[in-house]
Parts: sequence; structure tokens; C-alpha cells
Amino acid sequence: NAGVTQTPKFQVLKTGQSMTLQCAQDMNHNSMYWYRQDPGMGLRLIYYSASEGTTDKGEVPNGYNVSRLNKREFSLRLESAAPSQTSVYFCASSARPGATEAFFGQGTRLTVV
Amino acid sequence: AQSVAQPEDQVNVAEGNPLTVKCTYSVSGNPYLFWYVQYPNRGLQFLLKYITGDNLVKGSYGFEAEFNKSQTSFHLKKPSALVSDSALYFCAVRDPRDDKIIFGKGTRLHILP
Repeated sequence: NAGVTQTPKFQVLKTGQSMTLQCAQDMNHNSMYWYRQDPGMGLRLIYYSASEGTTDKGEVPNGYNVSRLNKREFSLRLESAAPSQTSVYFCASSARPGATEAFFGQGTRLTVV
Repeated sequence: AQSVAQPEDQVNVAEGNPLTVKCTYSVSGNPYLFWYVQYPNRGLQFLLKYITGDNLVKGSYGFEAEFNKSQTSFHLKKPSALVSDSALYFCAVRDPRDDKIIFGKGTRLHILP
């Protein structure tokens, strides 16, 4: 079983370019998340989705948009990439709101030059 | 809004000695608390969680954590450290009223042979 799958694994963008990071889970989870990981900053929540059709801002939403396409897929879009968005991005999913832990993808390493 | 603090950027422990990685949290109401581990170039792996009940919870790889409501802490512990425990450890809190999962900045654990 694949769990949480992120694509691409690596990406280099030029400043001002746009791109979409894809995330899909095959565990029938309701909740999905996007985080970014930066040295010394830990994981910071960008956006999350408690269920299909809903999205909410996290700690650092500026410069990003998300789409919960269906129950399986949750994409993160950078409309105009900036060097400050260089980071490792993780997608995660969880069975329902509340007591269950999140399962993480392997990450997307994004460099904006 | 919920928050998590991991006061130590790095913890060094000799192999065979007990280890503690500290975590304090802030959330309204009763929290759900989690520990995750990250090995180099990998996603996060779930270790253990506290939902309710016994203040000492046991998890994977011999780890355990102690919940202390009065001190709003959830410290990760292991009686005898292994070199293979060297990794980055994250504490996380989930507010039962919504679906956010907020992480601390992480603590790098070095187990010295």
C-alpha cells in the first residue's frame, strides 16, 4: 500500500514561476495537510483540509493556494514562486478529526532560484 | 491558538543511558499529543500519542512519553538509548475542537557510542 504519495520529489523553479505540488492518499482519510520544513523552524502548517470541499489556513499560508480535489487528493500551488519558498514540503493525512495520528509523504524538495 | 515548544535544539546522550526530549504545549481544552521521528531525507514516522487515560504512554522502538497536565508537558523518554535512535524528533499537538496539527521546531538527538 502506497500511503501518502507526493509528486514531484525534487523541483527547481525560477523566481516568478508557478507550479503545483501533488499529494494523494489511498487510506480513505478525511483530513489532509501541507507543511513546510525549514532548518531551525520545524514543520509549519501551510493549509489543511478537514474534509472534501473544505480548506483552512494554517500558520504560514501567504503565497500558497490549495485545492482539495476529492477525498484522495490535496494539491498545493505556488502562483509566483519566491526564494523564500525554498523548502521541503510535506503532505500528510489523518483518518478523522481528533485522536488519530497523521501519516506523511516522503516530501518534495523545492528550490527557487 | 495551540502551540508547541521544544526547548532544546539538540540533545546528546551516551549509548545505554536514559534519554529525555522535552516538549511543552499550549492549547485550550484537553489536547491530543504526538511524537514523531524523522530520519535523514525521510518523511516523519509516528512514535506514540496521548489521548486520555494513563499519563505514561508507550510507543514504538521502546520509547515512552509522560503527560503532565499541570506542567503542560509531554516529554519523550527511553530507558536505554541506542545509536540508531539518533534522529530528529518532533512533538505535535492537535486541538480536539478543530483539525489543526501543530508541530514544534524539533530536537536533534545524538546518541554517542
